[in-house]
This record gives sequence, C-alpha cells and structure tokens, in this order.
Amino acid sequence: DTGVSQNPRHKITKRGQNVTFRCDPISEHNRLYWYRQTLGQGPEFLTYFQNEAQLEKSRLLSDRFSAERPKGSFSTLEIQRTEQGDSAMYLCASSSTGVQPQHFGDGTRLSIL
Amino acid sequence: DQQVKQNSPSLSVQEGRISILNCDYTNSMFDYFLWYKKYPAEGPTFLISISSIKDKNEDGRFTVFLNKSAKHLSLHIVPSQPGDSAVYFCAAIIYSSNTGKLIFGQGTTLQVKP
Repeated sequence: DTGVSQNPRHKITKRGQNVTFRCDPISEHNRLYWYRQTLGQGPEFLTYFQNEAQLEKSRLLSDRFSAERPKGSFSTLEIQRTEQGDSAMYLCASSSTGVQPQHFGDGTRLSIL
Repeated sequence: DQQVKQNSPSLSVQEGRISILNCDYTNSMFDYFLWYKKYPAEGPTFLISISSIKDKNEDGRFTVFLNKSAKHLSLHIVPSQPGDSAVYFCAAIIYSSNTGKLIFGQGTTLQVKP
C-alpha cells in the first residue's frame, strides 16, 4: 500500500493559463475523488469516479474544470483559463466500494499569479 | 449552507489529559461520520469512523461518540500526546444514496502542550 500519490505538489501559474494535475490512487481502490481546500476551510467535494465512470459532479466544478479517469486507474484534473479564485489545495482520495473511508493524498497546491 | 460545523477553531490541552473535539450537523440523512487528522503540508489522514446505528466507536486512544437526537458527535483522545497536535476535521456522508461526497467541517486546531 503506497498510498495516494499526487503530482505536482506545487503549481504556480499565471492567470489565464491551463493546468493539469495527476492522481494515482491506492492500487486496489476502484473509487477516486477530487476535493478542493482553501485556507481555514475543510475540503470541498468536486467529483468522484467509480472505475472509469464519473458518477457525481459538484456545482463547484464549473465548465473550466474537467476530470478524467480513462482506464479506471490514475485520474487527471484540468483547469482551463485559470482565475485568481482557483488558488487552493486540490486533494485526491480513493477508496474501495461500500462503506469504506476515503484515503487522501498530500494534494497539489495551486497558486495563480 | 454549512451542514457540518466545528464551532471551536482551536483547542489547547496539556499532555496526558483528555482532548475533546466537537462537531454538529444539520442533515439527519447522514449515515456515516468520520474524523480526519491533518498535519501541515500533508493530506488528511483517516482516524476513526462511526455508523449512525451506533453511539460509540473506540480505537486505541481515540473514541468517537454520536448523539443522533442532538445531531452531535465528539472525538475523545485519551491520553493526549504532543504528536496529536494537528487540525482535526469531522466529515459526514449519506452512503445509502450512493454518493461519494464527504461533507467536512471547518476543522479544529488541537495543540497538545508537553
């Protein structure tokens, strides 16, 4: 069990640029989740996949955001035309099916200049 | 609409004493509750959970209590250790609706003094 891995750990970009983050879940987990966390707040749910199917999306996931999990293994989260308000920690989690806790990676911190 | 609330932003206790972290929720449909611990520059780490059909769950030094009528849960850490100093989040989910959405509180920063 190597844990949930997220890359990069930090991303600094200019407003208007596109960014992509990667998440590698725990290998035997078929569910994968994306959250966003801002300073002083708890994580906020963005979306989740079961295998390659995206089953749920939050209203927070605007049209500029897209997530994929093409082969049911790793996932990517892309933000197009980044805005100042996108600055946050983006967390990925994974779990098995059923009543199982979600296990989080260490996140990607996005800073928009 | 804050469905899960942690009203104490911070808590300070002496090493060896009990730490009690509180959490309130508003949605009676929640059927599973979890506590996570977060150190700086790391992701949240799962600590302990409780189903809504139980009122207590214990794991070593950590015990979670659930009071459904009051829509309140608490995490007890006994005895507290300096390594427990971290931000603690409670979270809730409606598993029966097949959602993947954990709803988190704002967090409580625990400081355990040696």
